[in-house]
Amino acid sequence: DGGITQSPKYLFRKEGQNVTLSCEQNLNHDAMYWYRQDPGQGLRLIYYSQIVNDFQKGDIAEGYSVSREKKESFPLTVTSAQKNPTAFYLCASSIGAADTQYFGPGTRLTVL
Amino acid sequence: KQEVTQIPAALSVPEGENLVLNCSFTDSAIYNLQWFRQDPGKGLTSLLLIQSSQREQTSGRLNASLDKSSGRSTLYIAASQPGDSATYLCASETSGSRLTFGEGTQLTVNP
Repeated sequence: DGGITQSPKYLFRKEGQNVTLSCEQNLNHDAMYWYRQDPGQGLRLIYYSQIVNDFQKGDIAEGYSVSREKKESFPLTVTSAQKNPTAFYLCASSIGAADTQYFGPGTRLTVL
Repeated sequence: KQEVTQIPAALSVPEGENLVLNCSFTDSAIYNLQWFRQDPGKGLTSLLLIQSSQREQTSGRLNASLDKSSGRSTLYIAASQPGDSATYLCASETSGSRLTFGEGTQLTVNP
């Protein structure tokens, strides 16, 4: 089945720890994205990548890092520098810029 | 900076009613306008994408319109069903593959 997978579905982290969220797609899409969603709010763009080995900061990149070593994978690391990391994180991909974005099921991160 | 607003924040209607969800954006220089559906605790499902050169798109009981000059888009849902209950999000795409989302309209369709 083609699609986007995110793991894990739920993640708990202690303050001061880095944690990495996984995003994989087998749709052969060039572009991939990471968004953050807080309760009752829309999504905000963290990072995006239009091609392998290249990525750009979104609106709220501080405290986050990404890599794009493979077309299929776009992992997001939430570092200890992120002051309020508890949120719902969504990954998406698209064929290219300005195309429909397809979303994964999300990872809910809770900092204890 | 693009800002997207959705009104109302929540809407409750009886089954069978036709309804309209509203989306407004401040920067008319958009590539497209997209509507998504989100069920509780889930990811987003794309419903309709309207390119900047288009006026509307239709899929089944859904019709989305776009008026760039006024900075508005509407999502029309005909003959609503309880299964339509979800949060509906609109998003505008500007340069650099950047989607700016509204806060969503939470729709409840009562049987």
